[in-house]
Amino acid sequence: DAGITQSPRHKVTETGTPVTLRCHQTENHRYMYWYRQDPGHGLRLIHYSYGVKDTDKGEVSDGYSVSRSKTEDFLLTLESATSSQTSVYFCAITKTSGPNTGELFFGEGSRLTVL
Amino acid sequence: RKEVEQDPGPFNVPEGATVAFNCTYSNSASQSFFWYRQDCRKEPKLLMSVYSSGNEDGRFTAQLNRASQYISLLIRDSKLSDSATYLCVVNRLGDYKLSFGAGTTVTVRA
Repeated sequence: DAGITQSPRHKVTETGTPVTLRCHQTENHRYMYWYRQDPGHGLRLIHYSYGVKDTDKGEVSDGYSVSRSKTEDFLLTLESATSSQTSVYFCAITKTSGPNTGELFFGEGSRLTVL
Repeated sequence: RKEVEQDPGPFNVPEGATVAFNCTYSNSASQSFFWYRQDCRKEPKLLMSVYSSGNEDGRFTAQLNRASQYISLLIRDSKLSDSATYLCVVNRLGDYKLSFGAGTTVTVRA
């Protein structure tokens, strides 16, 4: 158990509304990631963080913002949700100094539906 | 072209059979390779790393072919519990970004 919790686990919202997903870890690891998973695409990196207030964009960052004000929390915000953002969102951490070991530990996922 | 491509399957095999599938990657600078397993509606979990010389972990064997830019996973003596989607993951040295394939689905039937 990597001590990662995501909330909410399920959410249905309407187009144009803001949505925030929270990822919380209990082990104070430096690196945290937000991925989305869609059929046929695999997991795609949205944003990642390498420390408090240190974040960077991934490959599908448009329409998303993140914040990390504490080591343990990494928030993903959809400022104005669109139907194309309907997806399963996974938060992940790496336990080492970087991701090169390849072992990501994932949260259980947040299933978001935008109507 | 996607950076990592996998045959989506599904591969439907009887218990006890051997099943193998590949994953191709497009970036020759890729340095690290992994197989993850994802059960239905669950999070992915690391199954095994893939080393240059090939490696085994019980009934699972992973191989890397750098010349042809693919990795493979072979499952021997398949169990019902092996039914899952297997994700191929590739990383470039020094890159924070891991590239995931869309997955290969394996269904083992009794």
